[in-house]
Amino acid sequence: AQSVTQPDIHITVSEGASLELRCNYSYGATPYLFWYVQSPGQGLQLLLKYFSGDTLVQGIKGFEAEFKRSQSSFNLRKPSVHWSDAAEYFCAVVYSGNTPLVFGKGTRLSVIA
Amino acid sequence: DADVTQTPRNRITKTGKRIMLECSQTKGHDRMYWYRQDPGLGLRLIYYSFDVKDINKGEISDGYSVSRQAQAKFSLSLESAIPNQTALYFCATSDRPSGRGNYNEQFFGPGTRLTVL
Repeated sequence: AQSVTQPDIHITVSEGASLELRCNYSYGATPYLFWYVQSPGQGLQLLLKYFSGDTLVQGIKGFEAEFKRSQSSFNLRKPSVHWSDAAEYFCAVVYSGNTPLVFGKGTRLSVIA
Repeated sequence: DADVTQTPRNRITKTGKRIMLECSQTKGHDRMYWYRQDPGLGLRLIYYSFDVKDINKGEISDGYSVSRQAQAKFSLSLESAIPNQTALYFCATSDRPSGRGNYNEQFFGPGTRLTVL
């Protein structure tokens, strides 16, 4: 069965520091991968997605993610974090157009001055 | 106006009561989903519907039922609410894949916070 693991429950970074949030997926087929962000009290918003092609994808708000098949990973990165990036981040995976997304348990990001 | 709306936004109810959460969308999408979010557990799929005549159970459907009244409306019911159904509930929509090997993103509503006392 498809699954997603986000190993870090909570991460704290200083404003201006770089950020990397980890995501690992199971199963052997080529996945479709997504990162969503949930700001406090809000619904989920898509940051970026990977379907095929270039393994480095750019998203909104200055985020990027890199698909590494050899490591079954799709880690989210940002070179310089802003206080407004404090939120919960979810990685999600799907393997075909006829199955729903499977979400990871999320990583909560705190940003300190 | 929001593309995916949920009503109510907040609801407090008592054990044993029947509750209906409603979701409407103006995106014209065929596919609709209900998730619940609990701290530390992420989003778990309750039910999903790929078109008006299609209803599928998700990971945690026990204690819930759904109705797809129209393409734009997808309701979630708790027939007899219990305290461990206290959670944040999200509705989402997506379009059908536009081609082989494609998959469209899901768009989420703002959520309904349900408390069962």
